[in-house]
Amino acid sequence: NAGVMQNPRHLVRRRGQEARLRCSPMKGHSHVYWYRQLPEEGLKFMVYLQKENIIDESGMPKERFSAEFPKEGPSILRIQQVVRGDSAAYFCASSYLGDTEAFFGQGTRLTVV
Amino acid sequence: DQQVKQNSPSLSVQEGRISILNCDYTNSMFDYFLWYKKYPAEGPTFLISISSIKDKNEDGRFTVFLNKSAKHLSLHIVPSQPGDSAVYFCAASGSSNTGKLIFGQGTTLQVKP
Repeated sequence: NAGVMQNPRHLVRRRGQEARLRCSPMKGHSHVYWYRQLPEEGLKFMVYLQKENIIDESGMPKERFSAEFPKEGPSILRIQQVVRGDSAAYFCASSYLGDTEAFFGQGTRLTVV
Repeated sequence: DQQVKQNSPSLSVQEGRISILNCDYTNSMFDYFLWYKKYPAEGPTFLISISSIKDKNEDGRFTVFLNKSAKHLSLHIVPSQPGDSAVYFCAASGSSNTGKLIFGQGTTLQVKP
């Protein structure tokens, strides 16, 4: 049973470009969560999605950030017009309904130059 | 507003001895607590959890203690092994049905051979 798959593992973008981060949840999981880890900090919740629905986006920055989890395909975290402050590790996690044990992917390390 | 705090950035113990990692929280609405272990360049891995209706949960070498009146939990690792060297994150949830977690800043554990 493959775990949570994130790609790419490393992403370099110039300021002003768009970054797209992908997350395929574990088989059978329909709940996806995105977290961001800035250097020397803990993980910060960004958004919680189910298939075709955003359940909780209270941790998402108001501008430039969006997330989706379509009926088919991976969940996508999209960052438009990236700035240096967006450089961080972005982790995706998935879980079953009613199961708090969330399984994390290996993360995408975004570097904005 | 740091609702979950790990006040010790690092801890060093000798192989075979006990490692005690501490975590404090401020929100009395949290009812589920988890510990995750993280190696560099990897995602967090679930270790052990505890519901607020319990004060202790044990799994092999790992035991988590919860003191609700003090809003404090701790993770005990006995005996510590060099492979336990990693960053340990404490996390809390306001509901047992969500992967929306509030993480502490992490404690780096080094177990010396």
